[in-house]
Amino acid sequence: GAGVSQSPSNKVTEKGKDVELRCDPISGHTALYWYRQSLGQGLEFLIYFQGNSAPDKSGLPSDRFSAERTGGSVSTLTIQRTQQEDSAVYLCASSRAGDFQETQYFGPGTRLLVL
Amino acid sequence: QKEVEQNSGPLSVPEGAIASLNCTYSDRGSQSFFWYRQYSGKSPELIMSIYSNGDKEDGRFTAQLNKASQYVSLLIRDSQPSDSATYLCAVSSGNTPLVFGKGTRLSVIA
Repeated sequence: GAGVSQSPSNKVTEKGKDVELRCDPISGHTALYWYRQSLGQGLEFLIYFQGNSAPDKSGLPSDRFSAERTGGSVSTLTIQRTQQEDSAVYLCASSRAGDFQETQYFGPGTRLLVL
Repeated sequence: QKEVEQNSGPLSVPEGAIASLNCTYSDRGSQSFFWYRQYSGKSPELIMSIYSNGDKEDGRFTAQLNKASQYVSLLIRDSQPSDSATYLCAVSSGNTPLVFGKGTRLSVIA
């Protein structure tokens, strides 16, 4: 079966532009997670969806970051007015249920570079 | 602030040796513990999960959990060059997001 997919795989943008990152979870997985990984750093939790709702947005670094999920499937992470410090790998993961004890399966990530 | 600490390494071991990776965490309420392996330029993949004190073995991998000491470790027996990667420790209290350590880079020398 297909795993978690993300697009684009790489994105280069200019400071101040908006970007949209897409995540397609494993079919049937109700929970979806967004993380950010900067060079040499661990994974930083951004936001979590259970179905289409986001019970936990605590990790979003600023109001320039937003995310939505429609149809309990695809999710989009939007970064407005990008800054150079937003450069990182953005990873999406999904799990069968919204229980943090469940195994999370990661997508390949989107490498974002803000010039 | 919940923290997960790992030695960044690199940890170098000869092929065939046992690699021992360690992780400490700050939240005493933590209930779920995970080890992920991440090859350079790739996404993390789950190696082991452990939820109760003691050892859990899966093939060449053994996870060890000591909640009293707030310590979890991963042992890799008969290390192979293909085990060379960064190993991420992740911890959750069950109803809160996973908190990841920064990872330990393992290098297995042939």
